[in-house]
Amino acid sequence: QQQVKQSPQSLIVQKGGISIINCAYENTAFDYFPWYQQFPGKGPALLIAIRPDVSEKKEGRFTISFNKSAKQFSLHIMDSQPGDSATYFCAVAYYGGATNKLIFGTGTLLAVQP
Amino acid sequence: DAMVIQNPRYQVTQFGKPVTLSCSQTLNHNVMYWYQQKSSQAPKLLFHYYDKDFNNEADTPDNFQSRRPNTSFCFLDIRSPGLGDAAMYLCATSKGWGDQPQHFGDGTRLSIL
Repeated sequence: QQQVKQSPQSLIVQKGGISIINCAYENTAFDYFPWYQQFPGKGPALLIAIRPDVSEKKEGRFTISFNKSAKQFSLHIMDSQPGDSATYFCAVAYYGGATNKLIFGTGTLLAVQP
Repeated sequence: DAMVIQNPRYQVTQFGKPVTLSCSQTLNHNVMYWYQQKSSQAPKLLFHYYDKDFNNEADTPDNFQSRRPNTSFCFLDIRSPGLGDAAMYLCATSKGWGDQPQHFGDGTRLSIL
């Protein structure tokens, strides 16, 4: 059973446009929702994360929107740049539990065209 | 000033020949993780250490083992690699649990001949 569903699988955006990636999860016990960015040949790096007590978190051009009732969260990249071209993974985890296990979504390959 | 260092970056081994991948960290983090990432897939957790306490994921094959001799180093041993074990292996660390971010190394790409 796939615990985190991520869409789209790939995304092409023009420079300056908005990139939107969506994730949906099953288990309401999850309470930590990070996004990781991975460039080719590199390990994933934490981009931004949110907890369910807020509906939105913004860091620079990156925003997470969170809908607890729908069990969905999304990443918005404003003013997308070619340097943002990478694979993006959403993840879910249990905050404060006896584990820090991340369950990743399937990934979205973003290409920002100049 | 790399913080999580994986060696080697590329490893080629023969079918059935044991191989060891290494990871070191300069962050002094309590937790170290090993992930397997196949092409165009998400990282999949194999196991992790919290200090010396080892936690194996239920679906991690017996073929995979790990050692953590001290805080800074962690090893992934694949006893008898099969063709299906060809993948990128990622090491990560975190300071503890909760919302502590995981810091990933750049991985070792393992090829099986």
